[in-house]
Amino acid sequence: DTGVSQNPRHKITKRGQNVTFRCDPISEHNRLYWYRQTLGQGPEFLTYFQNEAQLEKSRLLSDRFSAERPKGSFSTLEIQRTEQGDSAMYLCASSPLGQGNNSPLHFGNGTRLTVT
Amino acid sequence: AQSVTQLGSHVSVSEGALVLLRCNYSSSVPPYLFWYVQYPNQGLQLLLKYTTGATLVKGINGFEAEFKKSETSFHLTKPSAHMSDAAEYFCAVTEGHSSASKIIFGSGTRLSIRP
Repeated sequence: DTGVSQNPRHKITKRGQNVTFRCDPISEHNRLYWYRQTLGQGPEFLTYFQNEAQLEKSRLLSDRFSAERPKGSFSTLEIQRTEQGDSAMYLCASSPLGQGNNSPLHFGNGTRLTVT
Repeated sequence: AQSVTQLGSHVSVSEGALVLLRCNYSSSVPPYLFWYVQYPNQGLQLLLKYTTGATLVKGINGFEAEFKKSETSFHLTKPSAHMSDAAEYFCAVTEGHSSASKIIFGSGTRLSIRP
């Protein structure tokens, strides 16, 4: 169990640029989640996958955000035409499917995005 | 939709004192409930969870939480605070019991420990 890995750890970009983050979940974990966390707030749900299928996407997520999990293993989160309001910590988590949806989430250390 | 309320964004206690962090949820169906902890510069990690069965749940580092259906609460307690308990604590719930339910989080409570 090597844990959930997120890359990069930090990303600084200029407004209007596109950014892509990667998440490698714990192997054999079927579920993969993306959350966004801003200072002083709890993780805000963005989207999640069961294997390669994207099961739900938050209504808060604009069309500039897209996530993929093409082979049911790693996932990418892309933000197009970044805005300053996108500055946040982006968290990835994974969980096994076998125990149903009461399985705890295993979080990565996050990718901190700063949009200037 | 499910929601989670954590009363008190910041709680400060003396070392050795009782820790009480409050969490209330809104649901007509008892959800699955979790507490996560986030230490400075680290990722969130599970402290404890309630699914079914015994309503008093014990977690790591001496923490425990009690599910009270009548009060829709899942407060986190620890009898004696330690300096190493200083962290951000998040209560989380699932939206229902279906396999497609997602997990949503409260806004968090920062716990400070005074020497």
